[in-house]
Amino acid sequence: GAGVSQSPSNKVTEKGKDVELRCDPISGHTALYWYRQSLGQGLEFLIYFQGNSAPDKSGLPSDRFSAERTGGSVSTLTIQRTQQEDSAVYLCASSAQRKKSPYSSYNEQFFGPGTRLTVL
Amino acid sequence: TQLLEQSPQFLSIQEGENLTVYCNSSSVFSSLQWYRQEPGEGPVLLVTVVTGGEVKKLKRLTFQFGDARKDSSLHITAAQPGDTGLYLCAGASHQGGGADGLTFGKGTHLIIQP
Repeated sequence: GAGVSQSPSNKVTEKGKDVELRCDPISGHTALYWYRQSLGQGLEFLIYFQGNSAPDKSGLPSDRFSAERTGGSVSTLTIQRTQQEDSAVYLCASSAQRKKSPYSSYNEQFFGPGTRLTVL
Repeated sequence: TQLLEQSPQFLSIQEGENLTVYCNSSSVFSSLQWYRQEPGEGPVLLVTVVTGGEVKKLKRLTFQFGDARKDSSLHITAAQPGDTGLYLCAGASHQGGGADGLTFGKGTHLIIQP
């Protein structure tokens, strides 16, 4: 089946412009995550959506970052007034729930190919 | 804040050698996932370990979860050039992600020389 897809794959923008990054999760996955991967920094968790519930925004690095998820499926990450330090690969993941025991479960996250954002 | 220390950060070895990558934390994780990432692509899930002491094998790759669920290791036997890539460990604190997302180690850049 189709995996997580992200668009665009590459985005070059000028400092101060707004950008929108899109994520299409795997069909049937209710949870969706955004991460940022910077050179030498590893993957940094940004935000998490569970279905249509209000997201936990505590991982967003500044108020210039926002994200929404429409209809419990597609998500858009928006960065306003981009800065050079926003340059990174933005990764989206969706998760499937697996049974750990009759009484507990765990999630496995599957990642998209990412959007490489370059702010000049 | 949960931290995952991954070591070594870089490893370059000859084809046919064995290697081990370590992932350590002072925090307990409910599950731990290993990913492999190629340049220009997203991380690809290799395995998830969920039970303390668990060992999983994937061909020449052996994954182990510590008894206390604070550490994990990845052992590769007879490494091949195709094993080259960035290996990432990631821990989940609540039911695999939850509101905190996964905590990632900084990764191990592995190069297998033919």
